[in-house]
Amino acid sequence: GENVEQHPSTLSVQEGDSAVIKCTYSDSASNYFPWYKQELGKRPQLIIDIRSNVGEKKDQRIAVTLNKTAKHFSLHITETQPEDSAVYFCAASRNYGQNFVFGPGTRLSVLP
Amino acid sequence: SAVISQKPSRDICQRGTSLTIQCQVDSQVTMMFWYRQQPGQSLTLIATANQGSEATYESGFVIDKFPISRPNLTFSTLTVSNMSPEDSSIYLCSVRTSNYGYTFGSGTRLTVV
Repeated sequence: GENVEQHPSTLSVQEGDSAVIKCTYSDSASNYFPWYKQELGKRPQLIIDIRSNVGEKKDQRIAVTLNKTAKHFSLHITETQPEDSAVYFCAASRNYGQNFVFGPGTRLSVLP
Repeated sequence: SAVISQKPSRDICQRGTSLTIQCQVDSQVTMMFWYRQQPGQSLTLIATANQGSEATYESGFVIDKFPISRPNLTFSTLTVSNMSPEDSSIYLCSVRTSNYGYTFGSGTRLTVV
């Protein structure tokens, strides 16, 4: 089955700096890769996603890149703000959204 | 995207008892999903609930422990049976939205004492 690894487990950056979180997956048939943000005590919320036919996607300060050959994808947050502090989860799935496997999460702290 | 109402939001239960968690969606959805998130951990899929058929359970989860009902296209329940302290977790329901992503309910924080 699918296995998703995520690094780093914790990340601290200064406000205004960039943050990068990387994930690798094992199942070459996976074709959909979302990123979720979970603030303390709240539900996970989708922040960006990418499908396997695209190499990069950007939404304002957030971007995701996908390297299918190497089976890894990354989340990039630019100009970080304190409200970006949260746990971020990557996930991978076949069939465009069924049976997600989530990574273990990255706790991002943006220091003022 | 879909709006999900999940209840209870939290509960403290005695070991050996059962708790039923309810999930109501404001639109009809084919599949509903139940996840467990243990303290400080990631999300693990328990089962997929389809209307009119038995739920499909992931490895490590069984129907006797986590029976699921799906009486219609907007509602599902998950029961955590014969609870032990190891069942203390956050349980979340989820539905697939039109853009392939999942929307999660607000979660049920369960503490078993």
